[in-house]
Amino acid sequence: GEDVEQSLFLSVREGDSSVINCTYTDSSSTYLYWYKQEPGAGLQLLTYIFSNMDMKQDQRLTVLLNKKDKHLSLRIADTQTGDSAIYFCAATGGKLIFGQGTELSVKP
Amino acid sequence: NAGVTQTPKFQVLKTGQSMTLQCAQDMNHEYMSWYRQDPGMGLRLIHYSVGAGITDQGEVPNGYNVSRSTTEDFPLRLLSAAPSQTSVYFCASSYVGRMDTEAFFGQGTRLTVV
Repeated sequence: GEDVEQSLFLSVREGDSSVINCTYTDSSSTYLYWYKQEPGAGLQLLTYIFSNMDMKQDQRLTVLLNKKDKHLSLRIADTQTGDSAIYFCAATGGKLIFGQGTELSVKP
Repeated sequence: NAGVTQTPKFQVLKTGQSMTLQCAQDMNHEYMSWYRQDPGMGLRLIHYSVGAGITDQGEVPNGYNVSRSTTEDFPLRLLSAAPSQTSVYFCASSYVGRMDTEAFFGQGTRLTVV
């Protein structure tokens, strides 16, 4: 079945760019997602990319997909303290499978 | 506009007790699922359903049962609670076949088994 892997922690300074990485195993995954979880809350969809795309930009967010290496990244430009949260990568070819989550800490 | 509603928000159980976590959605979504969230493990899929009367196992189904008698409700039953089931449980729903739409999550149920 699908396996999705992420690094667990990332710390950046306010105003810097953050890059969160994710790898997945199932090449038939048709959609790949980034979700954000703030403390004590459920998950909210940030953005998604269809598997036939290489890049998607949405305001401060840029998603890059390397389908050959099954590697997905989320870049947050001009990271703010309000971006501190856990970010989950998820993949689906049917069932929605999540990675472990990357805890982003933004220091002033 | 309720979205996905989970109850209860918090629960403490003794080992061996049984209970049902409730999940209801009012968006007419076909797809519903249950996840557990544990530190360093992310969200792991327990069971899912693509429509009323249809359920299937996810990554970690042991110790849990589900049923889907209506489109709106997808309860998760713990048959005999164990300390290893201490976790935060999330229910999610989305449209089937419209994977470009997001999955909506409930606020979670924090379960402690002592």
